[in-house]
Amino acid sequence: AQTVTQSQPEMSVQEAETVTLSCTYDTSESDYYLFWYKQPPSRQMILVIRQEAYKQQNATENRFSVNFQKAAKSFSLKISDSQLGDAAMYFCAYKDSSASKIIFGSGTRLSIRP
Amino acid sequence: GAVVSQHPSWVICKSGTSVKIECRSLDFQATTMFWYRQFPKQSLMLMATSNEGSKATYEQGVEKDKFLINHASLTLSTLTVTSAHPEDSSFYICSATLAGAETQYFGPGTRLLVL
Repeated sequence: AQTVTQSQPEMSVQEAETVTLSCTYDTSESDYYLFWYKQPPSRQMILVIRQEAYKQQNATENRFSVNFQKAAKSFSLKISDSQLGDAAMYFCAYKDSSASKIIFGSGTRLSIRP
Repeated sequence: GAVVSQHPSWVICKSGTSVKIECRSLDFQATTMFWYRQFPKQSLMLMATSNEGSKATYEQGVEKDKFLINHASLTLSTLTVTSAHPEDSSFYICSATLAGAETQYFGPGTRLLVL
């Protein structure tokens, strides 16, 4: 069965600095998708970034980028120029290309120090 | 685009009553909708997957007679918590996917408190 592991329950970063959130996953599939979702205090789940496993190029969305290491089954999220609004719970998630459901990690709570 | 709404945003009910939560895809047709439950400071736990016009598929350990799911149209799914008890108090979140798409879009969630 596929699993997603986020080993950092909490992280803290100074405003304007860069922070990296870790995520590893386990799967025997070769075709899948990886996601980072953000859940701010409002509890609305927001898609931050998505990566297709067949793409070697790391996905980027403005200040957010990923380091996708397929062989190592690692999918970390880098947030550059951290802003106060980035404070949230961040969930790493995995989805088989052949399945409909997403498997979530346990989350990392990110706080931003002004 | 890809907006999902939920109603109500929060509800308080007495033990033994039933509560219905609606999930709507506002600007797209959602062939598949998902219902999650989230306890404080925890991750999302998938309860069931529903496809329009079909019976929902429940995850192991989720009582289908307790949590009734109906996906009557491509834009609406409902979750009814029957005979609610205090232990059913939680945050319930729905999500929806476009046909053939991989990304789930989430509703804002419903906070349920059973007294």
